[in-house]
Amino acid sequence: DAKTTQPPSMDCAEGRAANLPCNHSTISGNEYVYWYRQIHSQGPQYIIHGLKNNETNEMASLIITEDRKSSTLILPHATLRDTAVYYCIVRGHNNNDMRFGAGTRLTVKP
Amino acid sequence: GAGVSQSPSNKVTEKGKDVELRCDPISGHTALYWYRQSLGQGLEFLIYFQGNSAPDKSGLPSDRFSAERTGGSVSTLTIQRTQQEDSAVYLCASSFSVADGRFFGPGTRLTVL
Repeated sequence: DAKTTQPPSMDCAEGRAANLPCNHSTISGNEYVYWYRQIHSQGPQYIIHGLKNNETNEMASLIITEDRKSSTLILPHATLRDTAVYYCIVRGHNNNDMRFGAGTRLTVKP
Repeated sequence: GAGVSQSPSNKVTEKGKDVELRCDPISGHTALYWYRQSLGQGLEFLIYFQGNSAPDKSGLPSDRFSAERTGGSVSTLTIQRTQQEDSAVYLCASSFSVADGRFFGPGTRLTVL
């Protein structure tokens, strides 16, 4: 799987958009970008995934650059409950393993 | 319920004892995964089941670990002769297929004394 690079921490004001970047410059053509988050003392939570087109669901939007070497997860209106560690993972569609890196610790502040 | 459930939520055992951890995946999900997470660490893949195919056991750390999935639904992870280094949170996840997002259960916190 391609390696990903994320900032270790970010802050965001409550009600504002949180934009979490991820670099994956070695991504290959058949690898997808997945985002998960883990709130303290809970299991990981799937957020969204995509290949090359931007994706949106009820939780977030995923913007993937045209060259696919980076992406941004957008939480449009962050709440205090969105405080968590966010993980960007790049893997092949049929790869059953999934390894989390260090992620970005997002703190939403009132 | 609608999500992945796991039992027990907490398990304290003595070194050398066997333990069984249970996972009930989301109904209709054909793929099921076991991971473990030690304190402050990332996820460690253990095993993967997909339908009736042979499971991928490549992540099991030793032959003391085994897992089965009966009827394509409920799964049990068994650890024999537990060791202190087995202490971790054991997480189960399921998905429609290996390509889809994985939905995790709340985990079982295992403590081996």
